[in-house]
This record gives sequence, C-alpha cells and structure tokens, in this order.
Amino acid sequence: QKEVEQNSGPLSVPEGAIASLNCTYSDRVSQSFFWYRQYSGKSPELIMSIYSNGDKEDGRFTAQLNKASQYVSLLIRDSQPSDSATYLCAVNPVTGGGNKLTFGTGTQLKVEL
Amino acid sequence: DGGITQSPKYLFRKEGQNVTLSCEQNLNHDAMYWYRQDPGQGLRLIYYSQIVNDFQKGDIAEGYSVSREKKESFPLTVTSAQKNPTAFYLCASADKYGGNTIYFGEGSWLTVV
Repeated sequence: QKEVEQNSGPLSVPEGAIASLNCTYSDRVSQSFFWYRQYSGKSPELIMSIYSNGDKEDGRFTAQLNKASQYVSLLIRDSQPSDSATYLCAVNPVTGGGNKLTFGTGTQLKVEL
Repeated sequence: DGGITQSPKYLFRKEGQNVTLSCEQNLNHDAMYWYRQDPGQGLRLIYYSQIVNDFQKGDIAEGYSVSREKKESFPLTVTSAQKNPTAFYLCASADKYGGNTIYFGEGSWLTVV
C-alpha cells in the first residue's frame, strides 16, 4: 500500500463548477497535511495546509481532514481554466517542523471552458 | 527577495560524469531537502538536512551525495553511480517554527546525453 494515494486523473470539470480532489494516507500518526499545485514544468507551490479535523477555507479553496478515516480532500469552488494543474497531496507524520513530507503522485485537474 | 534559488535550471550530463546542483536559500530556514520528480511518480525524497553539518538519506539516496556546510546552502551531487539520473530535481526548505511547511525552489532539469 502506498503511503499517500491519489487518483491520477485527469479530473475534468466545467468552468465554474466545484472540483473535488481526494487523498488517503496510511500512517495513522500523521499530523500535518498539505496541498500543492504544480503547473506543467514548474515547481510545486503551496495552496493549503491543515492540521486539525474539519474544514479549512481560504478563498475558493477548502481543505477537509478526517483523521479517523485517514482522508484529506481539497475542494476548489468556481473552478477557472487557470486552476488546470496537477495537485499534490503531502503528509508529514510529526508536528514541530523540519521533518520530511511524503507526497502522493498527484491528480491532474482540467477545467474546461 | 527572499526565496530558494536553484542553479542551473537546465543541465546536460554525459555518461560517467558527476554533476552538482546548487541550492541556496535566504529564508533562514533550518531544514533543507532534495526531491526528485519523474513523470507519473510524484516527488521522491533523496536527502534532507535539519541542521548544519548533518543530513540524512531519504528514500532514493543511492548515487547521490550532499553537504551542508552552511545554513543557506545544500548542494546535491549526482554521481556516475546514479544509473538513471534524467529527472526534475527540486530543492526545498522549511522553518522548524513554521508548521512543517515546505517551500520549493524552481527546480533543475537534468538530462543525460
């Protein structure tokens, strides 16, 4: 079983719709969770971090964490063509900084006009 | 501007050569990382360092070497022992007081010719 699993996609949504990206992780002691966006040929950029169960909203983005189910998701509201990218889920098992992240293979999102 | 600078952006290596990728950060971050990205495989950790003069192997350290003589610098050498070095290499750093958030440089493309 992979440590962090994501559906590779592509996930296609029409412009203006809600895109839902999902991630599961295997290490039950994981404490920190991150979503990165990566455009083709570019480096990943941080979108959201979440540490506690529940929802965390930032603009059009909402991260959802359920530690009991070992599941983290990212919702993108009012999807735009500029949101078309690969979204990477990353997990860190320990709080306190300086520890390594384990990444999923990413989900490719395509927002269609 | 504060950030992580990787150089060169593009590098070509002949078979049997060692090459060194530079990574410099002026964010005053304690931790630094090197990841490798291949198509469809997400990011894989090569080496990481949490303090000066100390570093640990990641998941795919064979054929690579690093040094951490200064807080702001973490160069990666790809040795001739690395049999399949063609990939996108990403340097990252994190502040131990910043909730484990990892930030990436722009990346270096290495191609074996």
